[in-house]
Amino acid sequence: IQLTQSPSSLSASVGDRVSITCRASQALTTTLAWYQQKPEKAPELLIYAASTLRSGVPSRFSGSGSGTDFTLTISGLQPEDFATYYCQQVKSFPVTFGGGTKVEIK
Amino acid sequence: EVQLVESGGGLVQPGGSLRLSCAASGFTFSDHYIDWVRQAPGKGLEWVGRIRKKANDYSTQYAASVQGRFTLSRDDSKNSVILQMNSLETEDTAMYYCIRVSSSFFFDSWGQGTQVTVSS
Repeated sequence: IQLTQSPSSLSASVGDRVSITCRASQALTTTLAWYQQKPEKAPELLIYAASTLRSGVPSRFSGSGSGTDFTLTISGLQPEDFATYYCQQVKSFPVTFGGGTKVEIK
Repeated sequence: EVQLVESGGGLVQPGGSLRLSCAASGFTFSDHYIDWVRQAPGKGLEWVGRIRKKANDYSTQYAASVQGRFTLSRDDSKNSVILQMNSLETEDTAMYYCIRVSSSFFFDSWGQGTQVTVSS
């Protein structure tokens, strides 16, 4: 299953609302997760089952969607949110990731 | 606290072998599948393989790009997983991450990674 993320990068300011889209080549139901990766660090799970916020993750992060179209939204971007974000499907093997979206400071 | 610590990375020549280890702590290791994901320099995430738990016969699954060259094994008595990598290619150069898989199959804990460089 191929995952296409858009945009591949974006520039935003602190306080902005940003949305990242992930489109799957096949229907996933809700077997989709979002990860955040900061430079030189391992990725961290943010959202799983498309819309469930992992414990400890700030509520400004939210996920939505089902089927083939999914969205990660950050409401009120904070300095620590500048990072690369990946979507992932676990519906079938091989597990696949989107190409990533780099969120940079405007 | 859940911890996964990878080791064994390094520089190896094409065609060579390397053995990566993942040492786990802070959770009931035997209850979880363990996956590996790699990330080439400046690139995205690529799933490498999975080893399941005893109840699933320690079965394994691999990405097509490493099938036949990489082998996963685990020792639940030592809370550890081994990724044996043979016939290494320059395209295998990457940071390799060991990951705990949640009961719903998401990747809920990652190690810090170990760097593998394949070069002559």
